[in-house]
Amino acid sequence: KQEVTQIPAALSVPEGENLVLNCSFTDSAIYNLQWFRQDPGKGLTSLLLIQSSQREQTSGRLNASLDKSSGRSTLYIAASQPGDSATYLCAVRPAGNKLVFGAGTILRVKS
Amino acid sequence: ETGVTQTPRHLVMGMTNKKSLKCEQHLGHNAMYWYKQSAKKPLELMFVYSLEERVENNSVPSRFSPECPNSSHLFLHLHTLQPEDSALYLCASSQMGGRSGEKLFFGSGTQLSVL
Repeated sequence: KQEVTQIPAALSVPEGENLVLNCSFTDSAIYNLQWFRQDPGKGLTSLLLIQSSQREQTSGRLNASLDKSSGRSTLYIAASQPGDSATYLCAVRPAGNKLVFGAGTILRVKS
Repeated sequence: ETGVTQTPRHLVMGMTNKKSLKCEQHLGHNAMYWYKQSAKKPLELMFVYSLEERVENNSVPSRFSPECPNSSHLFLHLHTLQPEDSALYLCASSQMGGRSGEKLFFGSGTQLSVL
């Protein structure tokens, strides 16, 4: 059974700091991995999707990497801003239609 | 807005009520999903519809009844719910088999409270 773990559960950093969020999964047989952002009481916004054949994806200040063989992904946020404060969720897609989500990392960027 | 619209945004209902959640996607996608997000738990997939056919039912109690009349609309009919069903219910859509790698787009959710 695929399980997704995100570390740390919560993170508080000063504005401007670079930071890394970690995601690990137990079964390396995945089609893709997605990182999402969720603001309190809101839906999820897809940030980056990495196909199983890819090693990384970049969008603006965000960079996500994927090491499928070791079951790990990282989300790197450069020059963090207070507006980056949110919960960040990692999800993997094994065979079939079902995304498996981690519990998320709650990020707070202090001004 | 993300292209996926959910109504209502908030719903309070008693255990004997019957209500429905509505989701509409304006993205031309061919798959729609219902997820449940409870406090301090990972998102749980409830149902998946692909081309209006239910392709996954993730062991959801029968008090939750989905309906997908066409590829743009998805409903979740609720009846005789329990207090533990209180959660944020999220709808999502994607293009299965598309070049975007089946990226999911979520609505803002319906915050449900069962009294």
